[in-house]
Amino acid sequence: AQSVTQLDSQVPVFEEAPVELRCNYSSSVSVYLFWYVQYPNQGLQLLLKYLSGSTLVESINGFEAEFNKSQTSFHLRKPSVHISDTAEYFCAVSGAGNNRKLIWGLGTSLAVNP
Amino acid sequence: DAGITQSPRHKVTETGTPVTLRCHQTENHRYMYWYRQDPGHGLRLIHYSYGVKDTDKGEVSDGYSVSRSKTEDFLLTLESATSSQTSVYFCAISESSAGQGYEQYFGPGTRLTVT
Repeated sequence: AQSVTQLDSQVPVFEEAPVELRCNYSSSVSVYLFWYVQYPNQGLQLLLKYLSGSTLVESINGFEAEFNKSQTSFHLRKPSVHISDTAEYFCAVSGAGNNRKLIWGLGTSLAVNP
Repeated sequence: DAGITQSPRHKVTETGTPVTLRCHQTENHRYMYWYRQDPGHGLRLIHYSYGVKDTDKGEVSDGYSVSRSKTEDFLLTLESATSSQTSVYFCAISESSAGQGYEQYFGPGTRLTVT
């Protein structure tokens, strides 16, 4: 069975500092990988996804994630965070045999401080 | 933004009363999901639907039932609400396309408090 582990439940960081949110998954089959973001009191929004091809994927607001098959990881990075990036970030995986379900990590709370 | 609405957005109810939450989509997506979100537990799948009248259980389905009589509507019912069902409930939809990796689009959520 597939599983997703987000290695940090909380990540405090100062504004304009770089950040990395870590995600590892376990799967014996090909997977699709996602990062979702949830701003306070809102629903989840897709931030970026890896389906195939280039292992580095980017979002429109400066986040990027790299699919590493050998490490079974999909870490999320941003070189310089803003106060507005404060949110909960969820990593998820889907793939063959999941019947169109996403397997979710428990989330990482990113707190950007001035 | 995907056309997904949830109603009500907030509800307070008493233990033992039935509660129905509604999810409505305008995207004509085949797959619909109900999740609950609780601190320390992330998102947990309650039930999902893969077509009209086709539903299946998720990991935390006890105490919940669902119905889908139309493509656009997916109802979640708590037959007899308990305090442990106090949570934020999210509906999601999916195109169910391998080309999209089965990504899901989420509604704004319903905050349910059972007193």
